[in-house]
Amino acid sequence: ETGVTQSPTHLIKTRGQQVTLRCSSQSGHNTVSWYQQALGQGPQFIFQYYREEENGRGNFPPRFSGLQFPNYSSELNVNALELDDSALYLCASSLDPYQPQHFGDGTRLSIL
Amino acid sequence: DQQVKQNSPSLSVQEGRISILNCDYTNSMFDYFLWYKKYPAEGPTFLISISSIKDKNEDGRFTVFLNKSAKHLSLHIVPSQPGDSAVYFCAASAVGNQGGKLIFGQGTELSVKP
Repeated sequence: ETGVTQSPTHLIKTRGQQVTLRCSSQSGHNTVSWYQQALGQGPQFIFQYYREEENGRGNFPPRFSGLQFPNYSSELNVNALELDDSALYLCASSLDPYQPQHFGDGTRLSIL
Repeated sequence: DQQVKQNSPSLSVQEGRISILNCDYTNSMFDYFLWYKKYPAEGPTFLISISSIKDKNEDGRFTVFLNKSAKHLSLHIVPSQPGDSAVYFCAASAVGNQGGKLIFGQGTELSVKP
């Protein structure tokens, strides 16, 4: 059984650029959630997708957007990158919104 | 506003002894709680969960206790092993209101010494 996979593992961007992060959910999982983890902090919820529809959003500005595809893989897009966007971005999938979430190893995003 | 708090940033325990990791929460709407373990350069790994209708859940060496009146939960690891050394996060959700949105604590780094 393949777990949650994220790509790329590391990324360096400059302020003002745009970035797309990708996530393949675990087999059989129809729900994907995205989190941002700053150094020394716990993950912070960005949003969740359930069967291709947004199913909840955290306190992140609209320049953070997402998408879930029919195969339940997902993308996180961030526009107009700021220095504070430097963080580990984690994707998690689950059987449905009410089951435990299983995380990928994350994408480390650095903004210069 | 930190709704889930882990007040101990680190904990050191001798191999074979009990490790107790604590977590407090403020939102009375939370009804589902989880513990995750995280090694460096890896994503969090789900360990154990508990619903608010229970006060205890066990899985092998791991037991989670929930005290709703105190808004407190704890993870007990018995016996502790060097491989348990990692950062542990507690997380909570208000399933009825917000589906699977998890609110995480800041984490506690556990070190188990041989």
